[in-house]
Amino acid sequence: GESVGLHLPTLSVQEGDNSIINCAYSNSASDYFIWYKQESGKGPQFIIDIRSNMDKRQGQRVTVLLNKTVKHLSLQIAATQPGDSAVYFCAELAPGTYKYIFGTGTRLKVLA
Amino acid sequence: NAGVTQTPKFQVLKTGQSMTLQCAQDMNHEYMSWYRQDPGMGLRLIHYSVGAGITDQGEVPNGYNVSRSTTEDFPLRLLSAAPSQTSVYFCASREAGVETQYFGPGTRLLVL
Repeated sequence: GESVGLHLPTLSVQEGDNSIINCAYSNSASDYFIWYKQESGKGPQFIIDIRSNMDKRQGQRVTVLLNKTVKHLSLQIAATQPGDSAVYFCAELAPGTYKYIFGTGTRLKVLA
Repeated sequence: NAGVTQTPKFQVLKTGQSMTLQCAQDMNHEYMSWYRQDPGMGLRLIHYSVGAGITDQGEVPNGYNVSRSTTEDFPLRLLSAAPSQTSVYFCASREAGVETQYFGPGTRLLVL
């Protein structure tokens, strides 16, 4: 079975409601951020990214907000669906470096 | 494109055995990486490569070797498996100069 994520914080939302998943990043010099979705037994899947010269970026049903003042990133999912159930985590990258820093993730459970 | 592929999907080893985890990508990406994912922790970088013939250590390299003889392939070798290497291993790749990183489906390894 799935061993990853046993100790993750969990967000439970009703189907159709909006979800907000938060991430605190660590390096104030980071200038690129990614949100990944990881379903049980699968690899991380790219959702959306944002650069530090932006505060907000929208995709299909997803929006990422970046607050550089408090080093905070959030992922908003509109009209949450059962297929959105997964672990979501953020990653940051500082300029001139190769190594991403990954968050531990939040498990999203969508209630029917 | 198949993207990033990994084999095997599952593997059980006895302590002291050796094995190679395979990773291949068909996107002509210069950068490739190996990560391990453990419960309650973010992805941790084991080794990475910025091109054929070039590899470097990540944050948890001990017990693992890599080589990059072609752009497409980036195998990870466990020389003498230990129970502490029980984990889920992900390979990832990205294009040089582009921050977006794509992951393979993972290999689940159990060392007894």
